[in-house]
Amino acid sequence: EPEVTQTPSHQVTQMGQEVILRCVPISNHLYFYWYRQILGQKVEFLVSFYNNEISEKSEIFDDQFSVERPDGSNFTLKIRSTKLEDSAMYFCASSDISGGYTFGSGTRLTVV
Amino acid sequence: SQQGEEDPQALSIQEGENATMNCSYKTSINNLQWYRQNSGRGLVHLILIRSNEREKHSGRLRVTLDTSKKSSSLLITASRAADTASYFCATDKGQGFSFIFGKGTRLLVKP
Repeated sequence: EPEVTQTPSHQVTQMGQEVILRCVPISNHLYFYWYRQILGQKVEFLVSFYNNEISEKSEIFDDQFSVERPDGSNFTLKIRSTKLEDSAMYFCASSDISGGYTFGSGTRLTVV
Repeated sequence: SQQGEEDPQALSIQEGENATMNCSYKTSINNLQWYRQNSGRGLVHLILIRSNEREKHSGRLRVTLDTSKKSSSLLITASRAADTASYFCATDKGQGFSFIFGKGTRLLVKP
């Protein structure tokens, strides 16, 4: 069964450093998403991406965040200057036109 | 306002029993999805139900949707210890493709 692949599975970074979280969505999907889940809290929407541009973003997705689809397969989330409160599980997802998501297994980001 | 809130927050049952979890939401939706998450792991998509559907089945899972009451339920029949996980409903906002997740129901199935 097709999968969404996320790397790395765990990233530890110093506060203020930039991190890039990587995702390989399902190949025939057209819509891509990032969500995050702070430990013990809800899964929160960050951003959706379609046709090489952001289609929707939440209040969490401020100027320190950016997304990119640098080639035909990867979808990345960049956090420019990490803060302690950015520590969370970050989930990538992709969907086709039917709307059903497939999530990756997540990247656990720890900011120290 | 909160969109997609599960009830109960926690549920403990014996293996073999049925488990029912409910989800309520506030605004009109196009789709509602149910997900499972094992502790510290990724989200596994269970079922998507559209606003014009009333019931869907997948194996031991049955999802119902009542748009007049803005609620959905997830029934797991003949539960197994391996069903122990958190279960989330996620609703769209009637437009766009983003989904809003509830806080989840923590299900414990005792062997």
